[in-house]
Amino acid sequence: KQEVTQIPAALSVPEGENLVLNCSFTDSAIYNLQWFRQDPGKGLTSLLLIQSSQREQTSGRLNASLDKSSGRSTLYIAASQPGDSATYLCAVVTSSNYQLIWGAGTKLIIKP
Amino acid sequence: DGGITQSPKYLFRKEGQNVTLSCEQNLNHDAMYWYRQDPGQGLRLIYYSQIVNDFQKGDIAEGYSVSREKKESFPLTVTSAQKNPTAFYLCASSLNRVTEAFFGQGTRLTVV
Repeated sequence: KQEVTQIPAALSVPEGENLVLNCSFTDSAIYNLQWFRQDPGKGLTSLLLIQSSQREQTSGRLNASLDKSSGRSTLYIAASQPGDSATYLCAVVTSSNYQLIWGAGTKLIIKP
Repeated sequence: DGGITQSPKYLFRKEGQNVTLSCEQNLNHDAMYWYRQDPGQGLRLIYYSQIVNDFQKGDIAEGYSVSREKKESFPLTVTSAQKNPTAFYLCASSLNRVTEAFFGQGTRLTVV
C-alpha cells in the first residue's frame, strides 16, 4: 500500500533563506506527483505537477524534483518571503488504480 | 471566473441531522472528489466520480452519500450515521484522474 510521508511536520526559517521541503513515498509505481499549498482555513492551490518521466518542474521561485527510484521528491523555495508561510502538501497518483495518496503536509513559517 | 465553488463556508449540524454540502465547478472537468481533512492528518478520500451518474466509494465513505446528476455538481450529504462529522471538507475536480486537481475553498462542518 502506497504511503506518503512529509518530514518535518513544521519548519520555521528567517526571510530570505532558500529552503527544501521533503516528500517520500513507499512505492515507486506512480503516475505523477503533485505539490500543493494550503493557507489556514482555505482550500488547496496546485503549485507543481511532475510526471513520472520527468526529473523536475519549475515555477517562479519554486522548483520540484522527483527521484522515483528512491521514492523522493523535494520542493525547493528560493529567497523565501513571509507570504510563503503556509502548509505544503504533496500527493502521488498511483499507477495501479490512479488513486491520489496524500502526505500530511509541512507547515512552513517564514519569519520577517 | 472558472473554478470550484463550495457552499456554505461554515455549517453547523445538530445531532441526528443530515446535512448537504454543495460543490459546483465550471471547469468542464469529468472527475470530482470529496475529501475530509482533520488536524495533523493528510486528506482522506470520501467519494469520487469520474463521470456523470457514476461515483465510487473512497477510504472513508461510511456515513456519507453523494450524487452526480450533472457534470458540474457533486453534492455531499453527511448523514446521521457519521459518528464524528466535525471536520473540514474539501471538494476537488480534474479533467481526469491523473491530471492536475483544483480545489474549492472548503466547508467547515461542526456538530453542536
